[in-house]
Amino acid sequence: NAGVTQTPKFRILKIGQSMTLQCTQDMNHNYMYWYRQDPGMGLKLIYYSVGAGITDKGEVPNGYNVSRSTTEDFPLRLELAAPSQTSVYFCASSYSVFKGTDTQYFGPGTRLTVL
Amino acid sequence: GESVGLHLPTLSVQEGDNSIINCAYSNSASDYFIWYKQESGKGPQFIIDIRSNMDKRQGQRVTVLLNKTVKHLSLQIAATQPGDSAVYFCAESLTGYSTLTFGKGTMLLVSP
Repeated sequence: NAGVTQTPKFRILKIGQSMTLQCTQDMNHNYMYWYRQDPGMGLKLIYYSVGAGITDKGEVPNGYNVSRSTTEDFPLRLELAAPSQTSVYFCASSYSVFKGTDTQYFGPGTRLTVL
Repeated sequence: GESVGLHLPTLSVQEGDNSIINCAYSNSASDYFIWYKQESGKGPQFIIDIRSNMDKRQGQRVTVLLNKTVKHLSLQIAATQPGDSAVYFCAESLTGYSTLTFGKGTMLLVSP
């Protein structure tokens, strides 16, 4: 298993540009998450999904959109990039709560800079 | 790579010492807790977890202690090695809810 993979690893955007951060997992996890991590800070939840076709907002959803058309993929869309969105973005996945564990497994991250 | 350690509490130890990293969690109803390790430039990596029906759980060189009375979680690392240098995060959750709440993190620096 490759686990959780994210692309790209690095990206520089100009203010107002848009982009999609890709996330794929091959563990057949139902639950997927997007976090952002600013320097010296913990992880803040942007959006999450409990299954294909179902998404919900986390703590900091403004400026982002997500979709979940398949179990494996959970892309994060930035429509109008702003300097405040400069951060490291992590995707994670986990088993359904019915499996009795909520452990989340993380990808390697995408480092985004908006200038 | 970009540092995630700026402004974080830091614990500095010598190689071979035992390390104790502490975490105060926020929700008295939380019943599931996880410790993650994050090395510079990488994503968080699962270390160990514990449910609220337990006070202690041991893994390989790591032990997690849970004190629900004071909402406190600790991670003990035995015989700390330079490879243990990283930022350590605790996270809490509530069964039936699919999200985790992460603490701010503690940086562990291990000197040879």
